Amino acid sequence: NAGVTQTPKFQVLKTGQSMTLQCAQDMNHEYMSWYRQDPGMGLRLIHYSVGAGITDQGEVPNGYNVSRSTTEDFPLRLLSAAPSQTSVYFCASSFGRRNQPQHFGDGTRLSIL
Amino acid sequence: DAKTTQPTSMDCAEGRAANLPCNHSTISGNEYVYWYRQIHSQGPQYIIHGLKNNETNEMASLIITEDRKSSTLILPHATLRDTAVYYCIVSGANFGNEKLTFGTGTRLTIIP
Repeated sequence: NAGVTQTPKFQVLKTGQSMTLQCAQDMNHEYMSWYRQDPGMGLRLIHYSVGAGITDQGEVPNGYNVSRSTTEDFPLRLLSAAPSQTSVYFCASSFGRRNQPQHFGDGTRLSIL
Repeated sequence: DAKTTQPTSMDCAEGRAANLPCNHSTISGNEYVYWYRQIHSQGPQYIIHGLKNNETNEMASLIITEDRKSSTLILPHATLRDTAVYYCIVSGANFGNEKLTFGTGTRLTIIP
């Protein structure tokens, strides 16, 4: 099993550009989520999904879109990149939403110039 | 949601047991205690979780006090690879992972 795979690992964008961060898991997990981590801080939840076709907002959703068309994939879209979105982005998945440990990817390091 | 309090940083000698404390004095009866760690900006890694009883797995032991207001994560024989930030998180049985709050954790440094 590959676990949770995030691509790309690094990306530099210019302000106003759009891009999609990819997240895929091969564990048949229903629950998936996206976090961002700024320097010296903990993780903050952006969006999450409890199954294919179902998504909801987390703590910091503004500027990001998600969709969940399959169980395996949960892409995160930046619509118009801003310097404030410079961060490390982590995708996670778990078997269920409640009382289930989350498995994290290795992250995407994103810089917005 | 119950809040947690952890020391900002700790050191431990290589080969010794590392004991990481966590206070969660407002924990309610159906809330679990989870521990994750993050090694050098990698994705967080699940370690262990428990409700009331002490728990042990291949990575660590979790000791929860009888009143459940605090807990201790024990790494029995710390190695240099255990240097990481350790997060103590409380999660309810009635809500999901979307309610987890990763604070700033404890930065554990293993000294050779």
